[in-house]
This record gives sequence, C-alpha cells and structure tokens, in this order.
Amino acid sequence: AQTVTQSQPEMSVQEAETVTLSCTYDTSENNYYLFWYKQPPSRQMILVIRQEAYKQQNATENRFSVNFQKAAKSFSLKISDSQLGDTAMYFCAFMKQYNTDKLIFGTGTRLQVFP
Amino acid sequence: EPEVTQTPSHQVTQMGQEVILRCVPISNHLYFYWYRQILGQKVEFLVSFYNNEISEKSEIFDDQFSVERPDGSNFTLKIRSTKLEDSAMYFCASIIQLAGVGEQYFGPGTRLTVT
Repeated sequence: AQTVTQSQPEMSVQEAETVTLSCTYDTSENNYYLFWYKQPPSRQMILVIRQEAYKQQNATENRFSVNFQKAAKSFSLKISDSQLGDTAMYFCAFMKQYNTDKLIFGTGTRLQVFP
Repeated sequence: EPEVTQTPSHQVTQMGQEVILRCVPISNHLYFYWYRQILGQKVEFLVSFYNNEISEKSEIFDDQFSVERPDGSNFTLKIRSTKLEDSAMYFCASIIQLAGVGEQYFGPGTRLTVT
C-alpha cells in the first residue's frame, strides 16, 4: 500500500522569503503522479503543482517548484517570494499511474506567512 | 471557469439521522469521488464512482454509506444513520478522463456536524 508522510506539522516564513515543505512517500509502483494541494482557511482544496514520476524535470508553476527525487521517494515543495496569501495547509498527495485513481494524502503542513 | 459545487455548506444533524450531501461535478467530467477530512486530520478517500457504479471504496465506506448519480448532474453521498464520528468535512471531486495526468477538481466541501 502507498503511504505519504509529511514530517513538518507547522512551518512559518516571512513574507518575500523562501520556504520548503517536505514530503516522502512509499510505493512499489514505478509510474505514478504526485501533487501538492493547498487548503486555505476557506477549506477548499486547490491544486498547486503536479509531477509525473516518469519525468525527470522538476515541475514549476510561477513561485512554486518541486524537488522530485524518485530514488529517495522525496517530493518537496519550494515556495519562493512567499506572500501572505500563501498561508494555508499544504497537502502532498500520491496517485497511481491510472489517472482516475484515488488520491492518497499526507497529514499536511500548516504554513504561516508573516509580514 | 467551471467548478464543482456542493450543498449544503454546513449540515447539522442528530445522531441516527440520515443525511444526504449533494455535489454537482463539472459537466463533462466522468469520474467522481468523495473524500472526508475529520477536523485537524488528513483527507481520506471514501469512494470513487464511474459509469453509474462504484469503482473503488475504502474501509471507511461501510454499509451506512451509499452514493448515486440520480439525474445525470448531481452526485450524492448518503449516510443512513449518522454517528458522532461521521462529523467531518466531506469533499466531492471530479475528473475528466484524459490521457496523462488526471487533475481532480474539488468542491468547497460540506461540513457535517453530528450531535
């Protein structure tokens, strides 16, 4: 069975600084997808970024980028130039290759951005 | 931009009562999901639904739960006899089946409080 682990329950960062959220996972699959979802206080789940395991290039979306280390089964999220609106819970999630499979979430990291 | 909608946003019910949570997925999406999030905990998969039948269900999804797509637009989750431990946020998600990465679009959630 697949598991996703986020070892940082809470993180904080000052506005305009950079922060990295950690995620590790365990799977015997060779091809799969990884995601970072943001959950602001409104509780809506919003996709931040995704990575296909077969792609060696790390995904980037504006200020958000990932460091995907397949051998180490690590998938960290880097937020550059942090903004107050980045304050939220961040969940790492795993999906098997079949692209309609369920998401398996980690326990989340609460990120607080301070002015 | 199309979005997944859920009603009600908050439901309070007494233990033992039946509740129906409603979701309207994005219109051309084919796969549907329910997840739940007990306060302060991670998001957990409940069930996936395709072509008018359950594709997969988790251990949480016992005989007290059922899903249906009654009219081609709504996707409902019914809990027959609610328990205190059913108190949680319930998220609906949908996906269009495409090759490549499948992004699940989440609704805003329904907060269920069982008293």
